[in-house]
Amino acid sequence: QKEVEQNSGPLSVPEGAIASLNCTYSDRGSQSFFWYRQYSGKSPELIMSIYSNGDKEDGRFTAQLNKASQYVSLLIRDSQPSDSATYLCAVGSGKSFQKLVFGTGTRLLVSP
Amino acid sequence: EPEVTQTPSHQVTQMGQEVILRCVPISNHLYFYWYRQILGQKVEFLVSFYNNEISEKSEIFDDQFSVERPDGSNFTLKIRSTKLEDSAMYFCASSVDTQYFGPGTRLTVL
Repeated sequence: QKEVEQNSGPLSVPEGAIASLNCTYSDRGSQSFFWYRQYSGKSPELIMSIYSNGDKEDGRFTAQLNKASQYVSLLIRDSQPSDSATYLCAVGSGKSFQKLVFGTGTRLLVSP
Repeated sequence: EPEVTQTPSHQVTQMGQEVILRCVPISNHLYFYWYRQILGQKVEFLVSFYNNEISEKSEIFDDQFSVERPDGSNFTLKIRSTKLEDSAMYFCASSVDTQYFGPGTRLTVL
């Protein structure tokens, strides 16, 4: 059974701080990795994808991938109260890596 | 910006009834998916669909479930003989490479 593990939180940070979210995965053959944001009662919203080892930056968000350690992380700089949500790590799996395996998500709370 | 749409937003049904959940994927996308999320639990893959056939399905996707692309735009999930434990949010997604999710249908089985 392919697993994706996340700390459920909540992770509490003050406004303007850096939030660091982490994820580990079990399928060493995985090739694609995604971070989604999910507000309560809403659908997952794509934040970033990452496919290669290293860092990928998009605005206030930086995704980091280390395939040797089977570890993915998401950094959110200058955190805002509107960033308060559950952040889902998803890993491409299955025959064509089209099936996404999700973690349980980390709840982020950003206080004003 | 194109988006995945789903109808209805909320469906209430009696145990044992059949329901059809509808999705309109993003128009140039080639892969279509259904996921479900039971309240308080993780998002779970049900099925992927490509080139008018199922490309992969999970253990959850048993004979109770079926998918269809009845025309060039719609993608449907049929659940036969619904059970209480089928109550969940059902999300449709589509992709070229990255999956974009629709707003979901909340299914409540009474």
